[in-house]
Amino acid sequence: GAVVSQHPSRVICKSGTSVKIECRSLDFQATTMFWYRQFPKQSLMLMATSNEGSKATYEQGVEKDKFLINHASLTLSTLTVTSAHPEDSSFYICSARDQSSNQPQHFGDGTRLSIL
Amino acid sequence: RKEVEQDPGPFNVPEGATVAFNCTYSNSASQSFFWYRQDCRKEPKLLMSVYSSGNEDGRFTAQLNRASQYISLLIRDSKLSDSATYLCVVNTGTGRRALTFGSGTRLQVQP
Repeated sequence: GAVVSQHPSRVICKSGTSVKIECRSLDFQATTMFWYRQFPKQSLMLMATSNEGSKATYEQGVEKDKFLINHASLTLSTLTVTSAHPEDSSFYICSARDQSSNQPQHFGDGTRLSIL
Repeated sequence: RKEVEQDPGPFNVPEGATVAFNCTYSNSASQSFFWYRQDCRKEPKLLMSVYSSGNEDGRFTAQLNRASQYISLLIRDSKLSDSATYLCVVNTGTGRRALTFGSGTRLQVQP
């Protein structure tokens, strides 16, 4: 079964709307979670590293005021795309590492965001 | 130069064929290596880890050449269900535990 739950799986909304995506680790605690973005026919690009109880670490070129990350508990990280525009339309995926697992990371199912 | 480079393909092969994918990485400090499979509009799923000694899992064989910074994946006896995008993934292990993904190689197995 899924070890990382991501919600919602699909969002379609108007330009200017803020969208919140949740990423939950199931059955394990994750002090660190990762947020990736994937545009069509491109690779997954790391946007930011979410750290429980502290500020997220953003990759170069990713606006921290645009993509707000909150990691308030050991099992939940949220990504909020503020005032989304059509160019923010993409596939957003979170992941987390279970220290007791031999898998490098467990991925959520992803959120397909479409901004009209 | 990209950190992880792959031939995007597509590779169109008949069922039963053997196909090989290659990948190069630029960071010599990279410590762990993986092949992931991604189906259209889905999250990536771990296919196998890659070790210096080479490793095999059924029809899949992965090889790592640290000197050349080169990783390969061999698929024997291709099945229709193998059609997907195969992502070469590297972890530098230098305090960052995020993964760096190649852009993927698309495989289409045809009947």
